[in-house]
Amino acid sequence: GAVVSQHPSWVICKSGTSVKIECRSLDFQATTMFWYRQFPKQSLMLMATSNEGSKATYEQGVEKDKFLINHASLTLSTLTVTSAHPEDSSFYICSAFDYLSYEQYFGPGTRLTVT
Amino acid sequence: GQNIDQPTEMTATEGAIVQINCTYQTSGFNGLFWYQQHAGEAPTFLSYNVLDGLEEKGRFSSFLSRSKGYSYLLLKELQMKDSASYLCASQAAGNKLTFGGGTRVLVKP
Repeated sequence: GAVVSQHPSWVICKSGTSVKIECRSLDFQATTMFWYRQFPKQSLMLMATSNEGSKATYEQGVEKDKFLINHASLTLSTLTVTSAHPEDSSFYICSAFDYLSYEQYFGPGTRLTVT
Repeated sequence: GQNIDQPTEMTATEGAIVQINCTYQTSGFNGLFWYQQHAGEAPTFLSYNVLDGLEEKGRFSSFLSRSKGYSYLLLKELQMKDSASYLCASQAAGNKLTFGGGTRVLVKP
């Protein structure tokens, strides 16, 4: 099946710094990718929809200036958590939509810990 | 708006059957997904229902009733490795998924 990778798989950073997370579709082109956040023992919450070549669409309550999304190519979307704070510590998961198979494939997730 | 409800936890015995119900209220509903998620890992795809009825895939089956806004995931011949969270997600316009809170299934010997 299709594969989506995320890098890094885990990251620890200090409060106030920025962290970039990459999401790549390895064997298909994804014009649409989604970014989710999952806190412990909670379900996935959609943060934003990333569209190749255009601005991301953010869900209500998600600060676009804090969570910068760039979808510069058909296989890569990046999420940058700017000025991270401990409350941003979470499991960030991306997914990529394959329009050929009409399936959504999830990346393995990135665990962010802000100290 | 989007609203997805599923039970928080279920416990079952190895070899038994468990049914996880999911009700949804989704504007622009396209279809209903079920995912399995083990702790600390990303969700893995189990099933996708677009039309009413039952879809069977080995030990897992999923049912959808669009008129009732209702779906269930049926796990048969439970194995210890089936202990995980099961996420119901409705798909709306733009292929966006809205997830329910997840049902933690614990399989006991």
